[in-house]
Amino acid sequence: SYEVTQSPSVSVAPGKTARITCGGRNIGGRSVHWYQQKPGQAPVLVIYLDKERPSGIPERFSGSNSDNTATLVISRVEAGDEADYYCQVWDSSSVHPVILGGGTKLTV
Amino acid sequence: QLMESGGGLVKPGGSLRLSCAVSGFSFSDTIMIWVRQAPGRGLEWVSSISPTTRYVHYADSVKGRFSISRDNANNSLYLQMDSLRDDDTGTYYCARASGDWYADNWFDPWGQGTLVTVSS
Repeated sequence: SYEVTQSPSVSVAPGKTARITCGGRNIGGRSVHWYQQKPGQAPVLVIYLDKERPSGIPERFSGSNSDNTATLVISRVEAGDEADYYCQVWDSSSVHPVILGGGTKLTV
Repeated sequence: QLMESGGGLVKPGGSLRLSCAVSGFSFSDTIMIWVRQAPGRGLEWVSSISPTTRYVHYADSVKGRFSISRDNANNSLYLQMDSLRDDDTGTYYCARASGDWYADNWFDPWGQGTLVTVSS
């Protein structure tokens, strides 16, 4: 079945740009979605369909997806962005349709 | 909104039934999932169910022990968990899918989670 991989951690200084990647074979041919999870809280959708932002998500959050890597980009990082970030892919043809990355801890 | 309940402390080999009460959208048209998170670990998909239960799937780690179901008339999702093991400990979340089975589904919103602790 399809798998995606994420680096365990990314560190960035406040005000800089964070890039969190999600790797998978030809992932550019799939749609990737991203969730933010802060300690003790439920996951929150921050990007869907590679680059679309739900209402209420700051414009500082953006996404891209090409070839074998999808990327979540957080510009002008703030202390409040410190969280775990997960990528997700849906595979309707699989008996394991929900594919989740292992998560990336963003430290600001 | 999604609201999970039914978590608690159970001994290994025991059973629990989790519930997810749904409001604010058309539950009977929606794919639903359960995702869990062991303490200090990442998110793990557990099970999915389509609106008419045509498609029901489980992670290998729970197959044969857990059973997902839904009551469309009462806007509720369930997870029956039997033969519980220590490594089933964690917070269990329900979440709503964005589209039909053949769409590129994402999940929003998520419930706040219910804690399951399996320990002797």
